[in-house]
Amino acid sequence: RKEVEQDPGPFNVPEGATVAFNCTYSNSASQSFFWYRQDCRKEPKLLMSVYSSGNEDGRFTAQLNRASQYISLLIRDSKLSDSATYLCVVNDDSGTYKYIFGTGTRLKVLA
Amino acid sequence: GAGVSQTPSNKVTEKGKYVELRCDPISGHTALYWYRQSLGQGPEFLIYFQGTGAADDSGLPNDRFFAVRPEGSVSTLKIQRTERGDSAVYLCASSFGPTNEQFFGPGTRLTVL
Repeated sequence: RKEVEQDPGPFNVPEGATVAFNCTYSNSASQSFFWYRQDCRKEPKLLMSVYSSGNEDGRFTAQLNRASQYISLLIRDSKLSDSATYLCVVNDDSGTYKYIFGTGTRLKVLA
Repeated sequence: GAGVSQTPSNKVTEKGKYVELRCDPISGHTALYWYRQSLGQGPEFLIYFQGTGAADDSGLPNDRFFAVRPEGSVSTLKIQRTERGDSAVYLCASSFGPTNEQFFGPGTRLTVL
C-alpha cells in the first residue's frame, strides 16, 4: 500500500463547479499535511497547509481527519486557471521532514 | 528574491554515462532536499541535507546515486553509469529549517537514451 494515496483523475469539471479531492495516508504518526499545486512541466508550489481545525483560503478549503487518516481539498467556483495537478503531501516530522507525495490528482476546468 | 535554481534544465545522456545535476537553494536555507519525479507520479524523496551533512539518504535507489553539499549551500546530485530507468525530472527543494515550507526548483529533466 502506498503511503499517500490519491485518485489520479482526471477530474473534468465545468467552470463554476465545486470539486473535491480526497487523499489517504498510512502513517498515523504523520504530523504535517499540505496541498501542493503543480502545473504541467513546472515545479510543485504550496497551495495550502492543512490543519485539524480545517482552513480556508478564498475558494479553497482543506480538511484533515486524523482518525480516518484522510485529507481533503474543496475548490468552489472553479476557474479555468485552476486546471493543474493537485498533490497531497504528508510530512512525518520524524527528523527528516521529508515530504511524501501522492501521485497527484489532475483537474481540468472546462469553459 | 531569487528562488531555487537548478542546472541544467534538460540533460540528455547515453546509457552508462556519468551526470551531475546542480541545485542552488534559496540563500540562507539550511535544509536541502532532492526528489525524483517520474511521469504520472508524485515526487519521491531521495536525500536530505541539513547544512553540509546528508542527514537522510534513505531514498537513494542504489549506490550509483550520490549527492554532496560541501559548503552547506549548492548541492550536486551525481549519477554514475546511468540507466534508462533513471530518466525522470530531478527536483531540488530548500527550506529555512527542516520544519519550514519547502520551496522547489524548476527541476532538471534527465533523459537517458
